[in-house]
Amino acid sequence: TQLLEQSPQFLSIQEGENLTVYCNSSSVFSSLQWYRQEPGEGPVLLVTVVTGGEVKKLKRLTFQFGDARKDSSLHITAAQPGDTGLYLCAGALASYDKVIFGPGTSLSVIP
Amino acid sequence: DAGVIQSPRHEVTEMGQEVTLRCKPISGHDYLFWYRQTMMRGLELLIYFNNNVPIDDSGMPEDRFSAKMPNASFSTLKIQPSEPRDSAVYFCASIQYPGAVSDTEAFFGQGTRLTVV
Repeated sequence: TQLLEQSPQFLSIQEGENLTVYCNSSSVFSSLQWYRQEPGEGPVLLVTVVTGGEVKKLKRLTFQFGDARKDSSLHITAAQPGDTGLYLCAGALASYDKVIFGPGTSLSVIP
Repeated sequence: DAGVIQSPRHEVTEMGQEVTLRCKPISGHDYLFWYRQTMMRGLELLIYFNNNVPIDDSGMPEDRFSAKMPNASFSTLKIQPSEPRDSAVYFCASIQYPGAVSDTEAFFGQGTRLTVV
């Protein structure tokens, strides 16, 4: 059983479209992180959200941490082919605790 | 710094053989993590070290798996004997303290793709 669930598992969209991917849990997390992984590479951190209800923006990417700190979302505006990759959410149940990863959402942006 | 360095990048071995994966973390980083990634199970934490000391090895699947960190700049993950179900991409990551592990960026290596036939 996954502590962190992500949806959708796969997503294929046209360039220019908007999309949202979700990360959910029944547990409360101290913080959540979003990583992006390209084929043949390790994951690279995009953002860390710590406070319930927090919203962070990184250019065309908007990250939100749920008020109850059990879920998070990543919204991409006007997707580009360079956004293609595996998006992983990761979290720890307590500060200074080990970080666990969700199964990921595989995004493909078609030119 | 060159980042986290893993070797080899690819390893193909026969069932029953011993496999050793290597990792050099970023200099000055206090934590080192070993993960395994498969399509079925995603990215799983196997073990992590703090200042060369193993802190949590509850993710190590079986006694066939062992990990060591003899010094701050080197770690190994060994599988003996290897089995086909061990086939996966194995990642090493490191984190610099201070800061909560949960809030701090983990820097990943490029991974070792292991195939056991």
